[in-house]
Amino acid sequence: DAGVTQSPTHLIKTRGQQVTLRCSPISGHKSVSWYQQVLGQGPQFIFQYYEKEERGRGNFPDRFSARQFPNYSSELNVNALLLGDSALYLCASSLGWPNSNQPQHFGDGTRLSIL
Amino acid sequence: AQTVTQSQPEMSVQEAETVTLSCTYDTSESDYYLFWYKQPPSRQMILVIRQEAYKQQNATENRFSVNFQKAAKSFSLKISDSQLGDAAMYFCACLMNRDDKIIFGKGTRLHILP
Repeated sequence: DAGVTQSPTHLIKTRGQQVTLRCSPISGHKSVSWYQQVLGQGPQFIFQYYEKEERGRGNFPDRFSARQFPNYSSELNVNALLLGDSALYLCASSLGWPNSNQPQHFGDGTRLSIL
Repeated sequence: AQTVTQSQPEMSVQEAETVTLSCTYDTSESDYYLFWYKQPPSRQMILVIRQEAYKQQNATENRFSVNFQKAAKSFSLKISDSQLGDAAMYFCACLMNRDDKIIFGKGTRLHILP
């Protein structure tokens, strides 16, 4: 069975641009979470979606938004990119919500570089 | 606010030896879960071991075990018979039962010396 898949693998953007990152959860998983991992740091929680509804939001500006589709895949959008948005963006999926009873499975991430 | 602290940025261990990675956390909640994740250069975050805070017994997964000290808010990971494939970044993490976000520490880079 396929794991969590994220696209693209790498992305280079310039300041002020907008970017969309995509995530497909493991088949049967209905919950998707997004994390930002800056180089040398642990991942930081951005969003969690379950059944197409936002269930949790981390301490990120409104430039960050996300959504979940009927097939449970998800997109993370970041507007007005800043140099500080350069990071590895990780997507994780789990069977249900809340996550405490369900192990989260992570994808390989999208490496976003802002020039 | 919940925090997770890993005080060892890097550690090295000889192959086949035992190593312990330290982690402390701070929370006012009584119901939470603790994890150790491994992140090799391939970037994928892999769950190594999980501990429910309400369980007194320390979790064990093959060569990996934890020492969970709830009163001290300490959650260390012991790797026995270290193997070259264990080389990676290790993240300690905490999830509150009422919440859905995992709080990660800054990580410990583990080197395995042949």
